[in-house]
Amino acid sequence: GAGVSQTPSNKVTEKGKYVELRCDPISGHTALYWYRQSLGQGPEFLIYFQGTGAADDSGLPNDRFFAVRPEGSVSTLKIQRTERGDSAVYLCASSLASKETQYFGPGTRLLVL
Amino acid sequence: RKEVEQDPGPFNVPEGATVAFNCTYSNSASQSFFWYRQDCRKEPKLLMSVYSSGNEDGRFTAQLNRASQYISLLIRDSKLSDSATYLCVVNLQGSQGNLIFGKGTKLSVKP
Repeated sequence: GAGVSQTPSNKVTEKGKYVELRCDPISGHTALYWYRQSLGQGPEFLIYFQGTGAADDSGLPNDRFFAVRPEGSVSTLKIQRTERGDSAVYLCASSLASKETQYFGPGTRLLVL
Repeated sequence: RKEVEQDPGPFNVPEGATVAFNCTYSNSASQSFFWYRQDCRKEPKLLMSVYSSGNEDGRFTAQLNRASQYISLLIRDSKLSDSATYLCVVNLQGSQGNLIFGKGTKLSVKP
C-alpha cells in the first residue's frame, strides 16, 4: 500500500522567504508527526497532530514555524522568514494511533541560501 | 547531557563479523525503546522494538537494562546490506508518541 509521501522532495530557497512543506500520511492514520534532521544528527521532534488538532507543538523552535492539518489527513509545515539554520531534512511520520509504530516519509530536503 | 547517547562510530567491519551497538538514555521515565535503521539519504525505518526480557529477530538481538538505562543491539553474521546508520530511540512515559532519537551510529560492512 501507499506509504507516507512528502512534497517537494527538495526545496531551495533564499533567506527570508516563506516555504510550505506537505505531508500525506498513510490512509487511516490519525496521528501525524513532524521531525527535523540536521546533518549528522538524529531526527528531532517538532509537532504532533492527533486528528486535526496539534496535540503537542513543544518541539517547534520558534514562532516562525507553524503547522496545520485542517481535515485530519494532509499536513503542511510552514516556515516564515527562513534562515540558513533552517536547512535540514524535514521528516513526516504517521501512525494508526498515538504510541503505535511510526512510518516515516522520505523527507523534504530544505536548503536556505 | 543528551537524552539519548550512542557510540560515536563509524564501525567498519568485515562480512560475517559480529557487531554490537550501545546506547544510554538519561530520562528514567522513558517507557518504550526502539532501534531504527536509516540508509543514506533515506527515511528511518523501524528495525525492532526493545523489551526488558530481550528480544531477537533473526541475526539481530536487542537488550534493555532499565536499571542502567542502557540499550544494546547485536548483529551477528553481518551482511553487506546491513550497512546503514542505526538509531537508538526512546519514547517518554506519558508522551503521546513523539520519539527521541540518538545521533546514530554508522555501520559499514566490507567484503
